[in-house]
Parts: sequence; C-alpha cells; structure tokens
Amino acid sequence: RKEVEQDPGPFNVPEGATVAFNCTYSNSASQSFFWYRQDCRKEPKLLMSVYSSGNEDGRFTAQLNRASQYISLLIRDSKLSDSATYLCVVLPGAGSYQLTFGKGTKLSVIP
Amino acid sequence: GAVVSQHPSRVICKSGTSVKIECRSLDFQATTMFWYRQFPKQSLMLMATSNEGSKATYEQGVEKDKFLINHASLTLSTLTVTSAHPEDSSFYICSASILAGGPSTDTQYFGPGTRLTVL
Repeated sequence: RKEVEQDPGPFNVPEGATVAFNCTYSNSASQSFFWYRQDCRKEPKLLMSVYSSGNEDGRFTAQLNRASQYISLLIRDSKLSDSATYLCVVLPGAGSYQLTFGKGTKLSVIP
Repeated sequence: GAVVSQHPSRVICKSGTSVKIECRSLDFQATTMFWYRQFPKQSLMLMATSNEGSKATYEQGVEKDKFLINHASLTLSTLTVTSAHPEDSSFYICSASILAGGPSTDTQYFGPGTRLTVL
C-alpha cells in the first residue's frame, strides 16, 4: 500500500461547482496533514493545514478522519484559477520534517 | 512570508557534466533543508535531508556520491548532480524549514524548482 494515495483525476468541473478530493495515508502514527497546490511546472504551495476538528478557509474546507486515515478537501464555488494539481501531504511524526506527498489530483475548472 | 529561491531555474547540459543547484532561504534561517525530485506526472520524492554543518541524510535508493549536498550556512544548501545522465533529467525542488521558535515550525517553504535536462 502506498504511503499517501490520491485519486489522480482529472476532475473536470464547471465554474461554480463544488468538488471534493480524498486522500488516504498508511502510517497511523502520522502527526500533521496538509493540502498543497501545484500549478503546472511550478513548485508546490501550501494551501492549508488539516486539523482533526476540520478547518475552513474561504471556499476551502479540509477534514481529517484519523480512525479511517482519511483526509478530504472540499472546494466550493470553483473558480477558473482553482485549476491545478492538489497534493495531499503527510508529516510522519513529531520532530520530523520529512513530508510525504501523494501523486496529486488534477483539477480543471471549465468556463 | 518566507521566501526560498533556487538557482538556476532551468539548465540544459551534456551527459557526463556536473550541475550545481543552489537553494537559499532569503528572509529566514533554516535549520533543515530538503531536496526533492519530481518526474513528470509523479509525486515529489524526497532525495535527502540537509542540516546545516552536518552531513546530509539520503533516502534509500539515492546515491550520495552522485548527488552531493552541501549545507554551508543556515541560508544556503547546494545540490550537485555529478556526471549527469539523461535519466537524471527531472524537476529538482528544495524546501526549507524555519528554525524552532519561528512563525511556524511545521511549515516547509519550497523553492521554485530547477528543471534539469541532460542531453
């Protein structure tokens, strides 16, 4: 089983749609979780951290289910500028900075 | 916010040559820098973890004699790809973590990446 698994997509959605991405991780001791966004041929950029209680940042909502080792990202009211690859990222343990990346889910928002 | 730069952004070289990539944290000190490699349509794969003043820790399968890492200061790490071959062509990205006690100790800040093409 891969350490971090994501549906590669692509997800093609119209502007204004709501889209959800899922991610599972294999290391139950993982401590921190993030969603990064990567535009084509660019470096990843932190979108948001994911907390057990769930967190929201504008149109973006992230959820963590530790029991199921599952992370989700919900994007509401999709914009054309949301088109990118979304990377699920896991930090294995306390004191470690070694991020483990999923392959990413590609999103295309269509006019 | 914290800024990490990389130089060069793109390099094309002949097989057998060596290429040096620099990673700098511009407005913060980084205890740890990381080097990643990303092949097309693949996830970022950690190559090595670099701590200032000590030897880098390489991930399994990464040749330390081929990918030389030097972390001479809290703001600069270099990756040298020695005797590059076409299969080394990839997108190399560095990241840096802020010193403990800074704005965020969990956040890694990524450089813009270096696209290496070996002919």
